[in-house]
Amino acid sequence: EAQVTQNPRYLITVTGKKLTVTCSQNMNHEYMSWYRQDPGLGLRQIYYSMNVEVTDKGDVPEGYKVSRKEKRNFPLILESPSPNQTSLYFCASSQTSGSYNEQFFGPGTRLTVL
Amino acid sequence: AQSVTQLGSHVSVSEGALVLLRCNYSSSVPPYLFWYVQYPNQGLQLLLKYTSAATLVKGINGFEAEFKKSETSFHLTKPSAHMSDAAEYFCAVSVSGGYNKLIFGAGTRLAVHP
Repeated sequence: EAQVTQNPRYLITVTGKKLTVTCSQNMNHEYMSWYRQDPGLGLRQIYYSMNVEVTDKGDVPEGYKVSRKEKRNFPLILESPSPNQTSLYFCASSQTSGSYNEQFFGPGTRLTVL
Repeated sequence: AQSVTQLGSHVSVSEGALVLLRCNYSSSVPPYLFWYVQYPNQGLQLLLKYTSAATLVKGINGFEAEFKKSETSFHLTKPSAHMSDAAEYFCAVSVSGGYNKLIFGAGTRLAVHP
């Protein structure tokens, strides 16, 4: 089954404790992206990757890091999480970076930073 | 810069009634427009998309949307609501320029009453 998977689905952590949210897709997609969803704000892009070893900042990149060492994986790293990073995070992928492409979303990771 | 406005954060309809979810966009170039649906505890799923072909776009589950350039609108409709349509709906515009970044509206939560 074609899908985007994320782990963990739920995470409660404390301020400053480094964490990684994994994202993997099995569709051989070139483009991958991370979004955060906050009430009343919709989804906002954090980082994106157009292909292996090619990443760039989205609209809200502060406090996050990413890497793209393999085509299928695009982990999101919070080196020193803070309470304002409490949010619902979605990973997405699409065939290419063309603006007409449908993006496929993972199930989401709900993060709480205390 | 592109932006999306969804009028009404909550919409409530009776089962069998017309569903109308409003979306207005701002874009300096011809846009690509999308409607995504989010069911509870799930990721986003594409309902339909406009990519400059037909202005009336039909999607899954009986939904359709009409692109009106003069009104900068892309409203989502369904003739007869079903209980299973209860979800959050997001309108999004794709940023032109070579990478597939989505700008989302704040979302509209649809409730369907028996």
